[in-house]
Amino acid sequence: NAGVTQTPKFRILKIGQSMTLQCTQDMNHNYMYWYRQDPGMGLKLIYYSVGAGITDKGEVPNGYNVSRSTTEDFPLRLELAAPSQTSVYFCGTGRTQETQYFGPGTRLLVL
Amino acid sequence: KQEVTQIPAALSVPEGENLVLNCSFTDSAIYNLQWFRQDPGKGLTSLLLIQSSQREQTSGRLNASLDKSSGRSTLYIAASQPGDSATYLCAVNGGSQGNLIFGKGTKLSVKP
Repeated sequence: NAGVTQTPKFRILKIGQSMTLQCTQDMNHNYMYWYRQDPGMGLKLIYYSVGAGITDKGEVPNGYNVSRSTTEDFPLRLELAAPSQTSVYFCGTGRTQETQYFGPGTRLLVL
Repeated sequence: KQEVTQIPAALSVPEGENLVLNCSFTDSAIYNLQWFRQDPGKGLTSLLLIQSSQREQTSGRLNASLDKSSGRSTLYIAASQPGDSATYLCAVNGGSQGNLIFGKGTKLSVKP
């Protein structure tokens, strides 16, 4: 039981490049979330999903896209990377809306 | 719009002290409140979760209280240890979607 896994752990992107941040959970949780954490700040919600095939925007969705084709996976797509997207990205999951388990994070640097 | 504030932003104490971290939120219509611990370069570890109907939760040396009507929560750490050094985040869960609204955290340093 790996819980929540995120790949890659660290990535450097050039401005305008694209990439997908992977999040996989093996707990059969319906709820999945993507947050970003900027230095010295709390986490802010980018997108969330309440089940396969259902996604919705959070507080800071601009520049990102998501999909949820399976219960296990919730990838986050950056199409045109910008320096403002330099951040640490955390994936969270929950069986219900009661509590969340977080992955170890992906550190992204856009230069 | 829900806003979560944590005071102080940073705290340094000698080992063995009891300490209190504060969290306030602007909208009392919350589902629950969680305290997390974050170590440098690491993910988040859930410490305590308080349901909106509860007043407090305890786990070992940690005690979290919730006063929903005043929009406040405190995290009490007894007999602090150097291993408690980390950033502590408060987050409220206010909606059916379960997404969390986070404070900026309190960075705690416990000196030996």
